Amino acid sequence: TQLLEQSPQFLSIQEGENLTVYCNSSSVFSSLQWYRQEPGEGPVLLVTVVTGGEVKKLKRLTFQFGDARKDSSLHITAAQPGDTGLYLCAGGRGKLIFGQGTELSVKP
Amino acid sequence: GAVVSQHPSRVICKSGTSVKIECRSLDFQATTMFWYRQFPKKSLMLMATSNEGSKATYEQGVEKDKFLINHASLTLSTLTVTSAHPEDSSFYICSAPSGGFQETQYFGPGTRLLVL
Repeated sequence: TQLLEQSPQFLSIQEGENLTVYCNSSSVFSSLQWYRQEPGEGPVLLVTVVTGGEVKKLKRLTFQFGDARKDSSLHITAAQPGDTGLYLCAGGRGKLIFGQGTELSVKP
Repeated sequence: GAVVSQHPSRVICKSGTSVKIECRSLDFQATTMFWYRQFPKKSLMLMATSNEGSKATYEQGVEKDKFLINHASLTLSTLTVTSAHPEDSSFYICSAPSGGFQETQYFGPGTRLLVL
């Protein structure tokens, strides 16, 4: 059974700080997706990584896929209160396996 | 990007009644859709895979007679919570793959169910 371990599960930081969220597995994934979800809404796709070692940037967000395609990270630079939300990593195609989620709170 | 809608966005019902939730892919066709359940501040738990033209595939521990799934067309899947109880109260979310090589999943906005 494929599992995704996401950490940390809760993160509370001040505006301007940097942070990294990790998503790890013992299994190889063909692709990994990162989503952001706000309360009462569905997850919104941020990025999909498919190639081992791949790095993608989305403004202040940097996503990396491990060389072996077993892990991924999300780094946010100079976090802002608008970054607050639930961040989810998910692996696979079609039937997605989700990590536990990271509840991020950025205080002004 | 592709758009998935859900209806209703929130519903309150009495214990013992049935509730139907619709999931529609608005600008693309989806032979497969997925239904998830989410508890407050928790991740998504896959309930079942909805297959157009065949029976849904349920995850372990999900009662197929309680959560009826019907993939009525290439753009519509429905989830019916039968004989709802307070413990069925939750946030239900559907998703559909957009197709193409990466098969990106697009999620609906979710349906908040409260059973009294």
